[in-house]
Amino acid sequence: DIQMTQSPSSLSASVGDRVTITCRASQGISNYLAWYQQKPGKVPKLLIYAASTLQSGVPSRFSGSGSGTDFTLTISSLQPEDVATYYCQKYNSAPPNTFGGGTKVEIK
Amino acid sequence: EVQLVESGGGLVKPGGSLRLSCAASGFTFSSYSMNWVRQAPGKGLEWVSSISSSSSYIYYADSVKGRFTISRDNAKNSLYLQMNSLRAEDTAVYYCARETRFLEWLSSDYYYYYGMDVWGQGTTVTVSS
Repeated sequence: DIQMTQSPSSLSASVGDRVTITCRASQGISNYLAWYQQKPGKVPKLLIYAASTLQSGVPSRFSGSGSGTDFTLTISSLQPEDVATYYCQKYNSAPPNTFGGGTKVEIK
Repeated sequence: EVQLVESGGGLVKPGGSLRLSCAASGFTFSSYSMNWVRQAPGKGLEWVSSISSSSSYIYYADSVKGRFTISRDNAKNSLYLQMNSLRAEDTAVYYCARETRFLEWLSSDYYYYYGMDVWGQGTTVTVSS
């Protein structure tokens, strides 16, 4: 099975900072990758699918890139409401559709 | 309003069984594949199982294979997870989630991509003696 590894596991940044989270697949997955945001005590929310396509309603400060094995989620200007744990997920028609371990984003 | 509502969680002894339910509303349930995802206390998300719209395709994580059974009743707009031989490590919040297939055009070809775009609030399963 394909393993998904996120880094860092946590980060602290200031409001307005550019934040980058990395997700690496153990095998190539083309661009079959989704990103989710889970705010404290809340349900996960789909942010991005197809590695770079923003889900409807997601602020444009979020962006995704990558293909094959290496992917990134970028928050161009961190806002207080972005405090959350972010998960990548390999997602194609062949489960298991494994999640990464998560990256906790906090405000410095 | 598009909504998923889970139920059936609770406290169960190791080796016991539980059946989770997920009631869907606000969308055409029979058109979507569905998933169960769990989250152990303080831990990350773990995909558990998925079922296609007509139940033709069913998949499980290795951690639950042979113990859990996913099913659905499209007439009742409901998704289920039968959990047997429960272990302490199955303790988690269990979410049902809708899988949406997105169509993307690239040049003259199209591709399907996937994401879980609707989630329930979760139901808590605790396995303890």
